[in-house]
Amino acid sequence: DQQVKQNSPSLSVQEGRISILNCDYTNSMFDYFLWYKKYPAEGPTFLISISSIKDKNEDGRFTVFLNKSAKHLSLHIVPSQPGDSAVYFCAASARRDYQLIWGAGTKLIIKP
Amino acid sequence: KAGVTQTPRYLIKTRGQQVTLSCSPISGHRSVSWYQQTPGQGLQFLFEYFSETQRNKGNFPGRFSGRQFSNSRSEMNVSTLELGDSALYLCASSFPMGQLSKTQYFGPGTRLLVL
Repeated sequence: DQQVKQNSPSLSVQEGRISILNCDYTNSMFDYFLWYKKYPAEGPTFLISISSIKDKNEDGRFTVFLNKSAKHLSLHIVPSQPGDSAVYFCAASARRDYQLIWGAGTKLIIKP
Repeated sequence: KAGVTQTPRYLIKTRGQQVTLSCSPISGHRSVSWYQQTPGQGLQFLFEYFSETQRNKGNFPGRFSGRQFSNSRSEMNVSTLELGDSALYLCASSFPMGQLSKTQYFGPGTRLLVL
């Protein structure tokens, strides 16, 4: 039972354009969401998070949008740069629960 | 502040052996989580320790075990290794309290190869 789903295994975007990565969840108890970036053979790096009391959080080129009614969140990267090529994971946790539930990841490829 | 450190970085073992991996969290972090990542797979949660107690456990067989020491350092042990245990093992630590504790910071991982 996948509670956090990233339905696109990979995404290819032209350098300078917007990258949009999507994540869906099924558990209505989730109230905190995070995005991580991972290069091969390295640990994931925390990018940005959002609490369910917000619908948008921005940090530099990265913006996360949360649509609670659709149980959907997305990560926007503008503009996309070559160094953004990596696997992106979304994760979620429920209130009073410290365990993160992870999606399967989306491989983002930025084309020059 | 130093990040999460994991030792060793690479390890080669044979089937049937056992292995111990070590993780030192960021100073001040008291929660340590362990994950397994195999090629093409996401992060599979193994277990989480907080103040020397296992707080959460994933769906792995009993061959996988862990512990946490009073200084928050953690070890995980895999006994009777199988070929399928070949993976990148990741450790993550988080701040002890409040919503900040939901953000986990990862180490570089230990790459285990079982022959």
